[in-house]
Formats: sequence, structure tokens, C-alpha cells
Amino acid sequence: EDKVVQSPLSLVVHEGDTVTLNCSYEVTNFRSLLWYKQEKKAPTFLFMLTSSGIEKKSGRLSSILDKKELFSILNITATQTGDSAIYLCASKNSGGSNYKLTFGKGTLLTVNP
Amino acid sequence: ETGVTQSPTHLIKTRGQQVTLRCSSQSGHNTVSWYQQALGQGPQFIFQYYREEENGRGNFPPRFSGLQFPNYSSELNVNALELDDSALYLCASSLDGGLDVYSTGELFFGEGSRLTVL
Repeated sequence: EDKVVQSPLSLVVHEGDTVTLNCSYEVTNFRSLLWYKQEKKAPTFLFMLTSSGIEKKSGRLSSILDKKELFSILNITATQTGDSAIYLCASKNSGGSNYKLTFGKGTLLTVNP
Repeated sequence: ETGVTQSPTHLIKTRGQQVTLRCSSQSGHNTVSWYQQALGQGPQFIFQYYREEENGRGNFPPRFSGLQFPNYSSELNVNALELDDSALYLCASSLDGGLDVYSTGELFFGEGSRLTVL
């Protein structure tokens, strides 16, 4: 059975702190690893990682994939209260020509002022 | 705003009843995926529709069924509701036909329909 595990499940930090969120995966026909941010209801796309060792960056957020060790990390530097959300990691698994996403449970990040 | 709209936003049903949830995909998107997100869990893939046909299904029983219409909007139907069906149901649209080779992985999610089964 395909499995994506995120840690920690919840995290409380102060504004300005740097956080690292972890995601490990054990899936068949892995294609890529995705990160989403879920603030209220609709998850919003952050990154898709396909190749090992290549960091993707967007402002204060960055992410990297290790396909040998089957994990990814999401870093957020200089956190702000607006970063408070659930961060979801998902693997894109190919089922022949089509695909599905397998999500982890998410990490609930709370950034206090 | 993703341009994906879902209705209703909230609803309450009792065990054994049937429910229909609706989704209008982002303009031009031809693929709709449905996910179930129980409290404290990540979204779980239910199924995907492309050009009005089911194009992949997760581990959900046949009482979960769907439709996609010519305008690419979609419905999720759940029969014989059980207490464990209580969840946020998310619809996501994309423009890749559900085909891995075209997928950027970026799904545009709606705000969801929160279903409570009593």
C-alpha cells in the first residue's frame, strides 16, 4: 500500500524562526513529490519535485527531494504569522499513463507573534 | 481564488441517506479529481474524470460514484451514507487529461463541501 508520512504532525514556533518539515514516502511507480499549503479549506500548490538534490525556492520557502532515501523537506525561513497553516506532502504515483496523488496527514504549523 | 467552485459548502445527512456534491472546474480545465479529507487526515483520492469518463479510482467502495458533464463540471454521489463518510470533500481541476506525461502536479482545489453524517 502506498504510504506518505509527514513529521512532525504539529509545530508551534515564534515569528522569525526557521522551520523544517519532513516527508517520507513509500509508493509504487513514484513520479514526483508535491507540497501544498492548506489554510482554511482549499490546498494551494507550492512545489513539485522530480529530481533528487535540486532545490526549489519561492521566497522564504524552499524544498528538496532525496530519491535514494525517499524523503523530502520543506524549509520556511523567517516565519510569519501568515505561514500558519497545514502543510501537505503528496506523492504523484503513475498508474500506467494516468496518475493519482497520495497525501500525508499534514503538518500543522502555528506561528505565534 | 482558484476558479473551482463547489456546492453545497456544508450539509448534514443521516445514515443511509444519499448525497450529491457538485463541482465547477476552472475554465478550460478538462480533468476533475475528487478527494475525501477526514478530520486530521490528508486528502484521499476517490476518483478522477476526464472527458466524461472515470480515469482512475482510489480505494473507495462502489457506493461512491461520479459524473462529468460536457462542460467538464462534475458530481460526486454517495449512497447509503455511513458515519465514517463525514469529511471535507474536495474537488480539484487540472488541464492534463489525467495523463502523467502532461501533469505539472498543480491541481486547483475548490473550497470543499463539508459533509456531516449523523
